Amino acid sequence: EPEVTQTPSHQVTQMGQEVILRCVPISNHLYFYWYRQILGQKVEFLVSFYNNEISEKSEIFDDQFSVERPDGSNFTLKIRSTKLEDSAMYFCASSDLGSSGNYNEQFFGPGTRLTVL
Amino acid sequence: SQKIEQNSEALNIQEGKTATLTCNYTNYSPAYLQWYRQDPGRGPVFLLLIRENEKEKRKERLKVTFDTTLKQSLFHITASQPADSATYLCALETSGTYKYIFGTGTRLKVLA
Repeated sequence: EPEVTQTPSHQVTQMGQEVILRCVPISNHLYFYWYRQILGQKVEFLVSFYNNEISEKSEIFDDQFSVERPDGSNFTLKIRSTKLEDSAMYFCASSDLGSSGNYNEQFFGPGTRLTVL
Repeated sequence: SQKIEQNSEALNIQEGKTATLTCNYTNYSPAYLQWYRQDPGRGPVFLLLIRENEKEKRKERLKVTFDTTLKQSLFHITASQPADSATYLCALETSGTYKYIFGTGTRLKVLA
């Protein structure tokens, strides 16, 4: 069964450093998302991406964040200058407009745990 | 302000009983409401989606209802099993956007 993959599974970085989190969405999906979940808290929407541009973004997704689909398979989230409060689990998700009727069903990856020291 | 509320307290039920979880929202007009399951340290897994013009949806032992007047969705698991123990999340997508807002989740524990 197709799945969303994310690398690395755990990233440790120093405050102020740039990090890039990588995701490979399901191959025929058209919509891509990033979420974060601080330990013990709820899943928070960061950004949605369709047709090579951002569709929606939340207040969390400020100028320090950017997303890119550099080729036909990868979808990346970059944090330019990490802060302590960026420590969280980051989930990538993808969805399509399939014929099943569940076209907003999102498939989540296993997450990247980001630790900022 | 906009809110999605799920019972933040854990729900413990006996195996074989029906678990009912609640999702209430305010100041949203969702086109869809979705339920996901999340196990510790894992990503959410989609379970069911219900549209604003649907009252009820079923899938095997799962049932979800959607009352746009009460601004509430109920999620039922019948004949619950210990393997159903997890955190259950509701998520809204407001009309015409691709922005999804998740509730805090309710942790369900099914006791053998």
